[in-house]
Amino acid sequence: AQSVSQHNHHVILSEAASLELGCNYSYGGTVNLFWYVQYPGQHLQLLLKYFSGDPLVKGIKGFEAEFIKSKFSFNLRKPSVQWSDTAEYFCAVDAGNNRKLIWGLGTSLAVNP
Amino acid sequence: DTGVSQDPRHKITKRGQNVTFRCDPISEHNRLYWYRQTLGQGPEFLTYFQNEAQLEKSRLLSDRFSAERPKGSFSTLEIQRTEQGDSAMYLCASEAAMNTEAFFGQGTRLTVV
Repeated sequence: AQSVSQHNHHVILSEAASLELGCNYSYGGTVNLFWYVQYPGQHLQLLLKYFSGDPLVKGIKGFEAEFIKSKFSFNLRKPSVQWSDTAEYFCAVDAGNNRKLIWGLGTSLAVNP
Repeated sequence: DTGVSQDPRHKITKRGQNVTFRCDPISEHNRLYWYRQTLGQGPEFLTYFQNEAQLEKSRLLSDRFSAERPKGSFSTLEIQRTEQGDSAMYLCASEAAMNTEAFFGQGTRLTVV
């Protein structure tokens, strides 16, 4: 069965620290990859997505992610976090292009001012 | 404001009662998804529609659950004979077409007491 694993469940950082959140998936075929963010009390919003092409994807608010096919990974990065980045981050995979997203458990990020 | 509206935002019901949730997708989005999210978990796929056709249902969707999208616009999700295990956030998302972004509503939080 397809699955998505997010390595870090809770991350606490100080402002200006660098962020990397791990995401691995299990599926051997073509995948579409997503990172969503959920700010406190708000709906899920798309941060970035990868369908094809350049494996380094840039998203909103300074986030980027790199698709490494050989490692089945799609890690999220940001060089310098802000207090406003405090949120829950979800990695999701659409395996086989059937548009049914399989989600990781999420990573709760707290950024201290 | 993502444009996907869900109603109600919160629902508290007694065990055994029936509940119905509504989702209004972004206008002209032909794909509509229902997900369920429990505390500490990522969203889990329940079902999706392309226009009025329900194309896939998860095994999570027991016979107490039914979803409709009668005119290819809004959708309803009904849970009959609710159980405490049904307590969760029910999320709706809509999408214009494949390989585009899925927009989420703010969800309906169901509490079964």
